[in-house]
Amino acid sequence: AQSVSQHNHHVILSEAASLELGCNYSYGGTVNLFWYVQYPGQHLQLLLKYFSGDPLVKGIKGFEAEFIKSKFSFNLRKPSVQWSDTAEYFCAVNKGRGQGGKLIFGQGTELSVKP
Amino acid sequence: GAVVSQHPSWVICKSGTSVKIECRSLDFQATTMFWYRQFPKQSLMLMATSNEGSKATYEQGVEKDKFLINHASLTLSTLTVTSAHPEDSSFYICSASRASGYEQYFGPGTRLTVT
Repeated sequence: AQSVSQHNHHVILSEAASLELGCNYSYGGTVNLFWYVQYPGQHLQLLLKYFSGDPLVKGIKGFEAEFIKSKFSFNLRKPSVQWSDTAEYFCAVNKGRGQGGKLIFGQGTELSVKP
Repeated sequence: GAVVSQHPSWVICKSGTSVKIECRSLDFQATTMFWYRQFPKQSLMLMATSNEGSKATYEQGVEKDKFLINHASLTLSTLTVTSAHPEDSSFYICSASRASGYEQYFGPGTRLTVT
């Protein structure tokens, strides 16, 4: 079955540290890839998405992610985190066009940034 | 644009009663709406996919007679938890997508507590 795996359950960083959150998926066909963020007490917001084209995707708030097809990975990065980045981060995948758009979410990674 | 609302945001009900949760797309027409369930500190699990005017498609293991989904218009979907039990207590989140794309816009969620 299609699955999404996020390697880190809880990451603790100091402000200005660099961030990389891992995400791997198991589906071998065409996929669309997403990173969502959930700030404490708020709803899910889209950080960035990859459908096709340049595998390096830039999103909001200085985040970026790189799609490496050979590794089935879509890792999220940010060169310098801020305290306000403290949140839960979810990687998600859905199948390519015509497949109904169902999102499969990873387990989530809780990021705590110390001021 | 692309705002999704849910009502209520928080509900407490007694065991054995039913509760209805509404999901509305406020500024766009949503051909497809999705219902997720999120347990504390866990990921979102897709419960069902609903397309306007047709029956919902439930994920494996989700009781369709217990979680009734109606998508009667392009801006409204409802989830009714029938004969609720304490184990149904959870955070229920809906999302909506336009017909032409695959990006889902998420609602703020509804916290259900069954006593």
